[in-house]
Amino acid sequence: NAGVTQTPKFQVLKTGQSMTLQCAQDMNHEYMSWYRQDPGMGLRLIHYSVGAGITDQGEVPNGYNVSRSTTEDFPLRLLSAAPSQTSVYFCASSYSGGIEAFFGQGTRLTVV
Amino acid sequence: AQSVSQHNHHVILSEAASLELGCNYSYGGTVNLFWYVQYPGQHLQLLLKYFSGDPLVKGIKGFEAEFIKSKFSFNLRKPSVQWSDTAEYFCAVNGAGRRALTFGSGTRLQVQP
Repeated sequence: NAGVTQTPKFQVLKTGQSMTLQCAQDMNHEYMSWYRQDPGMGLRLIHYSVGAGITDQGEVPNGYNVSRSTTEDFPLRLLSAAPSQTSVYFCASSYSGGIEAFFGQGTRLTVV
Repeated sequence: AQSVSQHNHHVILSEAASLELGCNYSYGGTVNLFWYVQYPGQHLQLLLKYFSGDPLVKGIKGFEAEFIKSKFSFNLRKPSVQWSDTAEYFCAVNGAGRRALTFGSGTRLQVQP
C-alpha cells in the first residue's frame, strides 16, 4: 500500500533555482493539498485541489505554483527559490474535504 | 476563517504521568476535529477524529479526546504516557464546506523514562 508518495525526500537549492516537488497518491482521492511545516508554526496550507483541473490557493501561496492534470498527481513548483522557502513540505490527500487527510513522508528543502 | 490554538508548546512528562493537551478552535459552524501525531522523522498520522455523536472519542494507542462545543475545545488526553509517546501532536479542524484542514502550531511532548 503506497498511499501518498513524495519525492525527493531531501533537496538543497541555491537561491533563484527552480524545482518541482512531486506528490502521487494511489487511493483515488479527489482532494489533495500541500502544506509547509516550520518550527512553532504548525502546518500551513500552500495550495489545494478538489479534483483534476481544479486548484486553489491556501494560506501561504506566494512563490509556489501547482497544477492537477490527473487525479493521482499534484506537483508543487518553486519557480525561483528563496531562503524563506526552507521548510519541510508535506503533501496530503483525502477522499473529500471534510474527512481526515493522509500524509506523505515529507520533503525537507533547504535553500541557500 | 477558521483557526486553531494549541496552548502548550512543549510538555515534559515522566512515564506513567497523565497527559492533557489543549486545543481550541475558532469557527462558527459545524466542524470536524482531528488530532494527528508526528513521531521524530516521520510523517503525520491520524490519532483520532470527531465528526458527530458522542463527544468523547477514542483513538489509537490509548488516546482519547473530548469535544466541548460550548468551549470550542477538543482536548487530547491519555491516562498514562509511555516513552514511545514522545512526538509532536497537532490539532486540526475542518469547518463544514472547507476544503482543507487548518492546523494548530503543535505541541512537542517529551516523555522521560
